[in-house]
Amino acid sequence: AQSVTQLDSQVPVFEEAPVELRCNYSSSVSVYLFWYVQYPNQGLQLLLKYLSGSTLVKGINGFEAEFNKSQTSFHLRKPSVHISDTAEYFCAVSGYSSASKIIFGSGTRLSIRP
Amino acid sequence: DTEVTQTPKHLVMGMTNKKSLKCEQHMGHRAMYWYKQKAKKPPELMFVYSYEKLSINESVPSRFSPECPNSSLLNLHLHALQPEDSALYLCASSGQGARNEKLFFGSGTQLSVL
Repeated sequence: AQSVTQLDSQVPVFEEAPVELRCNYSSSVSVYLFWYVQYPNQGLQLLLKYLSGSTLVKGINGFEAEFNKSQTSFHLRKPSVHISDTAEYFCAVSGYSSASKIIFGSGTRLSIRP
Repeated sequence: DTEVTQTPKHLVMGMTNKKSLKCEQHMGHRAMYWYKQKAKKPPELMFVYSYEKLSINESVPSRFSPECPNSSLLNLHLHALQPEDSALYLCASSGQGARNEKLFFGSGTQLSVL
C-alpha cells in the first residue's frame, strides 16, 4: 500500500518569491507521483506527473517537481509565484498496477501576498 | 472537448428528499469516479466505474447509489442523506480504465443537507 504526506498545511509567500511545497511518500513498490491544484470553487487539475525517466518533471503554469527516490520525496517548486497561484495543492501517489488507486495527500494551501 | 461537466453546481436538500447528481464527459474515457470532498480535506474516493461496470465501492452507505447509463454519463442518486453528507461531490474520468491514470475532474456539486 502507498501513502503520501504533505508536511505543510499552509504556505504563505510574497508575490514573485520562490516557493517549495513538500511531499513525501511511502511505498514498498515503485510508484507514480502526481501534483494536482484546486482553485477556489473548482475541481482538481493535474499540474504534473512522474511516471519514469528524468527525475525533474516540468508541468503547467511554470511549476516543476523533482523525484528523489532515496529521500522518497516529490517536492513541488516554482521560481516566482503570482497572485493567481493561490490555491490548494495536492500531492498524490499510486502503484504501477492498473488496479492501484490514486491516494491523495492532505493538501497544502498556498497563499500569495502582494 | 477535455471537460467533465457536473450538474447541478449547488444543491440543497432535506433529509427525506431524493435527488441526483449528474456527470458527463465526451473524451472517450473508460473509467469514471465519484469523490467526496469535505472543506479543507483531500478528495475521498467513493465509487469507480470501469467500462461501465462498478469496480470499486469504498464501503459507501447505501443512501448513495451510483449509476452509469453509458460510457459518457455517471449519476449519483441520493436518498435519505444526513447533514454530515454535506460536501463537495466531484466526478472524474480517466482514459484507459486504469485507476492510476491522470484524472480529469469536474467542478463539482456543492451539496448541503438540511
